[in-house]
Amino acid sequence: KQEVTQIPAALSVPEGENLVLNCSFTDSAIYNLQWFRQDPGKGLTSLLLIQSSQREQTSGRLNASLDKSSGRSTLYIAASQPGDSATYLCAVLTNAGKSTFGDGTTLTVKP
Amino acid sequence: GAGVSQSPSNKVTEKGKDVELRCDPISGHTALYWYRQRLGQGLEFLIYFQGNSAPDKSGLPSDRFSAERTGESVSTLTIQRTQQEDSAVYLCASSPSGPYGYTFGSGTRLTVV
Repeated sequence: KQEVTQIPAALSVPEGENLVLNCSFTDSAIYNLQWFRQDPGKGLTSLLLIQSSQREQTSGRLNASLDKSSGRSTLYIAASQPGDSATYLCAVLTNAGKSTFGDGTTLTVKP
Repeated sequence: GAGVSQSPSNKVTEKGKDVELRCDPISGHTALYWYRQRLGQGLEFLIYFQGNSAPDKSGLPSDRFSAERTGESVSTLTIQRTQQEDSAVYLCASSPSGPYGYTFGSGTRLTVV
């Protein structure tokens, strides 16, 4: 059974800092890994999708990497802004056809 | 449509009543998923539809929960005899066939009083 862990559960940083969020998974036989953002009381917004054959994806100030062999992914956020404050979730898709989600990292960026 | 649409956005119901939650996936998306998220907690898988295959119901918490999907379009999640512990946000997502990512709707916030 796939298990997904996100550490830390919460993170607070001053504006402008670069930061890394971590996601680890137990079964390396994955199809893809997806990072989402969730604002309070809202649904999930997809940020980046990494296919199993890829090592990283970039979008603006965001960069996600994937190391299947070690069961890890990182989400790097450059030059953080208060608007980046949200909960970030990673989800891993396996051949069972459905994704397993981590519990998320709640990020607070202080002005 | 342009995105995944869920209705209603909010639902308040009395304990013991039945509720129906609706999800309209993105046109052409063969896979549809329902998840539950209790306040301050992570996503809990409920059920997964893929095309005309039998749905994966392994996440449904009790026989009070059921879901249907008409072909590759609308899905309805029904909760019978609602209990206070059913209070949560119910999220629907869809994806194309293959290893593609999910697109989520905005969710239905269910409150059982």
